[in-house]
Amino acid sequence: SAVISQKPSRDICQRGTSLTIQCQVDSQVTMMFWYRQQPGQSLTLIATANQGSEATYESGFVIDKFPISRPNLTFSTLTVSNMSPEDSSIYLCSVRDPMNTEAFFGQGTRLTVV
Amino acid sequence: DAKTTQPPSMDCAEGRAANLPCNHSTISGNEYVYWYRQIHSQGPQYIIHGLKNNETNEMASLIITEDRKSSTLILPHATLRDTAVYYCIAPQGGSEKLVFGKGTKLTVNP
Repeated sequence: SAVISQKPSRDICQRGTSLTIQCQVDSQVTMMFWYRQQPGQSLTLIATANQGSEATYESGFVIDKFPISRPNLTFSTLTVSNMSPEDSSIYLCSVRDPMNTEAFFGQGTRLTVV
Repeated sequence: DAKTTQPPSMDCAEGRAANLPCNHSTISGNEYVYWYRQIHSQGPQYIIHGLKNNETNEMASLIITEDRKSSTLILPHATLRDTAVYYCIAPQGGSEKLVFGKGTKLTVNP
């Protein structure tokens, strides 16, 4: 299994500012993913964080708005840039290793933009 | 991902079996079916997965029809702590990405 720590667990931010969310895993993992969960909704995949290369974004998400870093196999960051109230969501980090079938999720970062 | 269809909500009495259905009629031969659940304010949790055969673990059983077009997740003795949203996912072509649908909100009642 993998234990995932996300920081911060929650934050309240002013519109127009940026927030960087950190995801730390207790073991090396191949695949890391970032999700968004808007209030009352299901999870939406934002991007796959690739180690040593640019992240792969899903339709509707762009690097300028959600820049992602993945400097090594245990750590990734997601930045929510130029925030607006519509960005208020829970952001979750997930990891998965091809050798294991199950994915593990962090507890999420609850972001409120005012 | 192979499109999955689940009822939006279900109720179950505590101690009884909860049977959660999922339709995945467009699933391909090499695509597994995964079940996850999300308890309120927590990250999703893996439950079980299967390809063709029925599967059982300490949490649940997964029954997959012979034509693989549908499956049922069974919680044999539901407890109040099983109240959660349950997601059925069939990653396309064995993709590592998990794409979540709307899931089924299961409420276990005392």
